[in-house]
Amino acid sequence: AQTVTQSQPEMSVQEAETVTLSCTYDTSESDYYLFWYKQPPSRQMILVIRQEAYKQQNATENRFSVNFQKAAKSFSLKISDSQLGDAAMYFCAYRSARGDMRFGAGTRLTVKP
Amino acid sequence: DTGVSQNPRHKITKRGQNVTFRCDPISEHNRLYWYRQTLGQGPEFLTYFQNEAQLEKSRLLSDRFSAERPKGSFSTLEIQRTEQGDSAMYLCASSLVAGAGGTQYFGPGTRLTVL
Repeated sequence: AQTVTQSQPEMSVQEAETVTLSCTYDTSESDYYLFWYKQPPSRQMILVIRQEAYKQQNATENRFSVNFQKAAKSFSLKISDSQLGDAAMYFCAYRSARGDMRFGAGTRLTVKP
Repeated sequence: DTGVSQNPRHKITKRGQNVTFRCDPISEHNRLYWYRQTLGQGPEFLTYFQNEAQLEKSRLLSDRFSAERPKGSFSTLEIQRTEQGDSAMYLCASSLVAGAGGTQYFGPGTRLTVL
């Protein structure tokens, strides 16, 4: 079974600085997708960024980028120029080709003004 | 608003009662997923549908839980004989089978409290 591990329960960053959230996963599949979701205190999950496993190029969405290391099964999220609105729980997720998704336990990000 | 909607947003019930939640997916999405999230944890997969067919069920989905998607549009999740351990946020998500990596879009959730 696929597992997703987020080893940082909490992280803190100064406004305008850069922070990296870690995620590792375990799978024997070759075709899969990886996601970072954000869950603000209102609790609705919002997609941050998506990475297809067959793509070598790391995904980027504005201030958000990933470092995808397929051989190491690592998928970290970098947030540049952190803003107060980035404060939330961040979940790393693995989606198999079948469609079911597995989430990590989450990292709570605090942004200090 | 064309996002995923869930009703009710909050439900308080007494142990032993039955509860039913509804999820309305994004209209063109043919896949619909249910997850359960307890405080401080990530969502746990429960089950998913492709159109009206229920394709997979997690072992977390005991026989007290049943989900339906009768016309391939909205879905209901029913919990019979609720237990205090069922208290959680129940999340619904929808996606297209193909396209954009089958990205799942989540609803706001239904928070269940079992007294």
